[in-house]
Amino acid sequence: QVQLVQSGAEVKKPGASVKVSCKASGYTFTSYDINWVRQATGQGLEWMGWMNPNSGNTGYAQKFQGRVTMTRNTSISTAYMELSSLRSEDTAVYYCARVISGSSSGFDYWGQGTLVTVSS
Amino acid sequence: SYELTQPPSVSVSPGQTARITCSGDALPKQYAYWYQQKPGQAPVLVIYKDSERPSGIPERFSGSSSGTTVTLTISGVQAEDEADYYCQSADSSGTYEVFGGGTKLTVL
Repeated sequence: QVQLVQSGAEVKKPGASVKVSCKASGYTFTSYDINWVRQATGQGLEWMGWMNPNSGNTGYAQKFQGRVTMTRNTSISTAYMELSSLRSEDTAVYYCARVISGSSSGFDYWGQGTLVTVSS
Repeated sequence: SYELTQPPSVSVSPGQTARITCSGDALPKQYAYWYQQKPGQAPVLVIYKDSERPSGIPERFSGSSSGTTVTLTISGVQAEDEADYYCQSADSSGTYEVFGGGTKLTVL
């Protein structure tokens, strides 16, 4: 069965960087784009960007351009999202999500989420 | 930047029909997707491409589209349907994805 398993919770200081991993299983990793979405406590979902695991091509939301980097390691079917220059407003649960088969949008499988806390 | 607009809350009694709307200028051109999210859980896709239902999603969930508005309809609402619902789509160029602000469905 398709699974996306994310790395554990992180606590970071303002100005630091965080790198969250998303390990895929149950399907061919390079065949489906991976997107990243975050959610601050009590707030809505916020799209951060996408990555094509086959080509490595990426696209980022304007809000995060210059601060976010999405990469992958195809040998271990794992996607990564790194966010730099962290500030308190970046405290949120970060999700990876797989794009629906045969579609350019929409997310059918999600990771369990990774809580990133930014605090001095 | 592109926005999708949802009502903050919708309330219905068990067995009634709940309708949650989502408005956006690019919706005539881009498909919409709907997610259900319960507290402490990841979102779950309940409708894709405006009106298609993934396997495993109950038939009481349906979607429709008319102009710049898409609607998620839950017929015969059950207590277990109480959750936050989010619409999602892309901007007119297909470059950026966006989520609506979310609608809290309360089952009275």
